[in-house]
Amino acid sequence: AQSVAQPEDQVNVAEGNPLTVKCTYSVSGNPYLFWYVQYPNRGLQFLLKYITGDNLVKGSYGFEAEFNKSQTSFHLKKPSALVSDSALYFCAVRGTSRSGGSYIPTFGRGTSLIVHP
Amino acid sequence: NAGVTQTPKFQVLKTGQSMTLQCAQDMNHNSMYWYRQDPGMGLRLIYYSASEGTTDKGEVPNGYNVSRLNKREFSLRLESAAPSQTSVYFCASSETPYSGNTIYFGEGSWLTVV
Repeated sequence: AQSVAQPEDQVNVAEGNPLTVKCTYSVSGNPYLFWYVQYPNRGLQFLLKYITGDNLVKGSYGFEAEFNKSQTSFHLKKPSALVSDSALYFCAVRGTSRSGGSYIPTFGRGTSLIVHP
Repeated sequence: NAGVTQTPKFQVLKTGQSMTLQCAQDMNHNSMYWYRQDPGMGLRLIYYSASEGTTDKGEVPNGYNVSRLNKREFSLRLESAAPSQTSVYFCASSETPYSGNTIYFGEGSWLTVV
């Protein structure tokens, strides 16, 4: 079965500092990896995804993520945090096999990012 | 740019009552999903429909039924609501369930069962 771990419930960072939100995954075969952001009382918004190719993926709002196959990680990063980045962030993995429904994405529990002024 | 539209946004039910959450997408997507979000639990899949005419159970299907009415619409029904079903419900869709297709979410439905 596929799974996603977001080891930190909360990440605190000062505005202007770089931020990292961690994600590790487990899946059979090659993964498709996604990051979503959720603002209070809103739905999830797509940020970026890794399908294949370049390990560094750039997405919306200045976010990027690095796919590391050997460490089975897909950490979300941003060089300079903004207070408006404060939100809940979800990592998701989708397998490439139809067996057992593994093509259905599995989401992590979410990491609350708090950016302090 | 409506995307995925869910109704109602908020609902309070009494234990034992029934209700249906409606979802429609205008992106001509084949696949649709229903998730619930609970504090500390992340998103858990209730049911999904890989394509029109098919539905399958997800991780937490008990107490729910779904109907894929047509390609656009996918409804979630609570036949006899229980307090444990108090949650935020999200409908989502994607072009297909395969490959790297992005899943797009609705704005959520807040359900309280008292």
